[in-house]
Amino acid sequence: QQQVKQSPQSLIVQKGGISIINCAYENTAFDYFPWYQQFPGKGPALLIAIRPDVSEKKEGRFTISFNKSAKQFSLHIMDSQPGDSATYFCAATITSGTYKYIFGTGTRLKVLA
Amino acid sequence: NAGVTQTPKFRVLKTGQSMTLLCAQDMNHEYMYWYRQDPGMGLRLIHYSVGEGTTAKGEVPDGYNVSRLKKQNFLLGLESAAPSQTSVYFCASDWTSGRGSSYEQYFGPGTRLTVT
Repeated sequence: QQQVKQSPQSLIVQKGGISIINCAYENTAFDYFPWYQQFPGKGPALLIAIRPDVSEKKEGRFTISFNKSAKQFSLHIMDSQPGDSATYFCAATITSGTYKYIFGTGTRLKVLA
Repeated sequence: NAGVTQTPKFRVLKTGQSMTLLCAQDMNHEYMYWYRQDPGMGLRLIHYSVGEGTTAKGEVPDGYNVSRLKKQNFLLGLESAAPSQTSVYFCASDWTSGRGSSYEQYFGPGTRLTVT
């Protein structure tokens, strides 16, 4: 019940295309869902996050879609660029608790020029 | 601000040797975490601390010990290294007191450890 399942494991997209990464969770107590971006040799960094009281959040080319009833959320990268090539992790946490994140297994995105 | 720093960046150990990884943060964060990252397994929590002098076990604590003697530092120790502990280790911290709507964890650059 503490797992966050992420798919796909890897993704190859043409420049200008849309990249879509999906995550699913079981624990309905989760109330904060961030996405982290990690470049090779670096630590993960927060990209965008959403609370379950909204169905979508957009920041530039990055959008989180959240489906509370299905217990799923996804990251959409519009107009994907080679500079977006990185590993993306979804995560979930309970903000009233000890703030421990449960991370997905990661998606390695490669955007072809 | 340096943010979250980790030392060393790389280390090679022989089976049975011990070592300590140091994490430091200059953001006055209350909570600190140690994760390990392995291919296909994401980030798994080893130990965490909710304040100076406190520690707690995460998902994969066996073979590791931690200490948080000062608020800004979080140490991860391997008492007797095993090849299964070959991994990339990340430290993270976040701010909880009056944190408002920010729940962002800040990560260090990582330590790549190889145990032969």
